[in-house]
Amino acid sequence: SQELEQSPQSLIVQEGKNLTINCTSSKTLYGLYWYKQKYGEGLIFLMMLQKGGEEKSHEKITAKLDEKKQQSSLHITASQPSHAGIYLCGADTDDKIIFGKGTRLHILP
Amino acid sequence: EAGVAQSPRYKIIEKRQSVAFWCNPISGHATLYWYQQILGQGPKLLIQFQNNGVVDDSQLPKDRFSAERLKGVDSTLKIQPAKLEDSAVYLCASSYTSGSSGEQFFGPGTRLTVL
Repeated sequence: SQELEQSPQSLIVQEGKNLTINCTSSKTLYGLYWYKQKYGEGLIFLMMLQKGGEEKSHEKITAKLDEKKQQSSLHITASQPSHAGIYLCGADTDDKIIFGKGTRLHILP
Repeated sequence: EAGVAQSPRYKIIEKRQSVAFWCNPISGHATLYWYQQILGQGPKLLIQFQNNGVVDDSQLPKDRFSAERLKGVDSTLKIQPAKLEDSAVYLCASSYTSGSSGEQFFGPGTRLTVL
């Protein structure tokens, strides 16, 4: 079965700094989702990547799927307190999504 | 557009008791999902409905968990009897369609604590 490993598990950055979160799959990715979750809330869709080398941006968040389609990275530029939360990557497999364990992001003012 | 609604938001029960969760998906969404999210983990799919039929329930502990979506709209998830390890957030999600083109919209979840 497909597994996703996210790194780092937890991240603390100073407001204004850039950061990167990685998601590595045990199998080829045919669809990779990035979601954000705040404590006590549901998941909010950020973006979906399907093609090798594809890159998408939403406000200050950019996600990329590597050419081999086994790894994705999510990059936040000039982080803000509103970026704090848990970032989850999910792999599209057999009409369902398998999620990684998430990366907890804390932003220091 | 109204989002996915779930109730209750929080529930505390003792082990061996029963509990039920309710989900109302976004209007027009044919696919409904129930996930279990244990603290520190990503969501795990329990069951997926397409309209009122079950598409995937391979990870649903059927000896104690049951779910239904009788009219193809709202859904209930039941646990009977609950165990300590069932403590988790139960998330409901819906999508217009299943598969890679179906972005899933999540509700706020129900946080279950089993004592």
